Amino acid sequence: GNSVTQMEGPVTLSEEAFLTINCTYTATGYPSLFWYVQYPGEGLQLLLKATKADDKGSNKGFEATYRKETTSFHLEKGSVQVSDSAVYFCALRRINFGNEKLTFGTGTRLTIIP
Amino acid sequence: DGGITQSPKYLFRKEGQNVTLSCEQNLNHDAMYWYRQDPGQGLRLIYYSQIVNDFQKGDIAEGYSVSREKKESFPLTVTSAQKNPTAFYLCATLSGVQGNSGANVLTFGAGSRLTVL
Repeated sequence: GNSVTQMEGPVTLSEEAFLTINCTYTATGYPSLFWYVQYPGEGLQLLLKATKADDKGSNKGFEATYRKETTSFHLEKGSVQVSDSAVYFCALRRINFGNEKLTFGTGTRLTIIP
Repeated sequence: DGGITQSPKYLFRKEGQNVTLSCEQNLNHDAMYWYRQDPGQGLRLIYYSQIVNDFQKGDIAEGYSVSREKKESFPLTVTSAQKNPTAFYLCATLSGVQGNSGANVLTFGAGSRLTVL
C-alpha cells in the first residue's frame, strides 16, 4: 500500500538557519505529493505541491522537488523565521479515478528560536 | 467567503455518550473526509464521501458513523463503541473528483477537539 515516511521531530533551529525536513514515499503508479503545515490549534493548510516527477513546488520561501528516482519530496527553506514554527506534514495522493484520498506522514514539529 | 466550518471547536463527553461533530462547507466540493489526529501519529482517515448519499470507511472507521444527505454537510458521530475517542478531528474537502484530479488538493477545517471525561 501507499505510505509516507517523514524525519522524526521535534526539530529546533535558530532563526535564519537552513531547514531540511526529509520525506520519502512508497506508492504504485504516479502519486501527487504535498506538504501541509499546521499552526497550533488549527487545521492543516496546503504549503506546496508537485504533481509529477521533477516538479518543484514552492511557497513562502519553502521548496520541495519531486524525485521519483529516490522516491523523495524533501522540504527546504534557506532562512527560517520564528513564524515558521509549526507542524509539517508530507502527504501523497494517488491519481486514481474514483478513489481519492491522501496518505499522510506522522508530521514533524519545527520550533524556531530567536 | 468560501470555507469549511467545523463545530463545536471544543467538546467534552462522558464515557458512554454519543456525540456528533458538524462539518459544513460552501466550497461546492464533491468529496468530504474525516481525519483523526493524535500526537505522534499524524492523520488517520476515518470516513470519506465522494458524492451525496454515498460514503466509504477509511482506515479507522470502527466506533464512528457518518451521513451525507446533502453536498454541504458531512457530520461525524463518535459512538460509545469508540474505545479511545479523545483526539483532534479534522474535516476536509476535495474538489473535482470526476475530472482531472492530479492537481486537486484537500482543504481543511479548523478542527474539533473532543475530550472524554
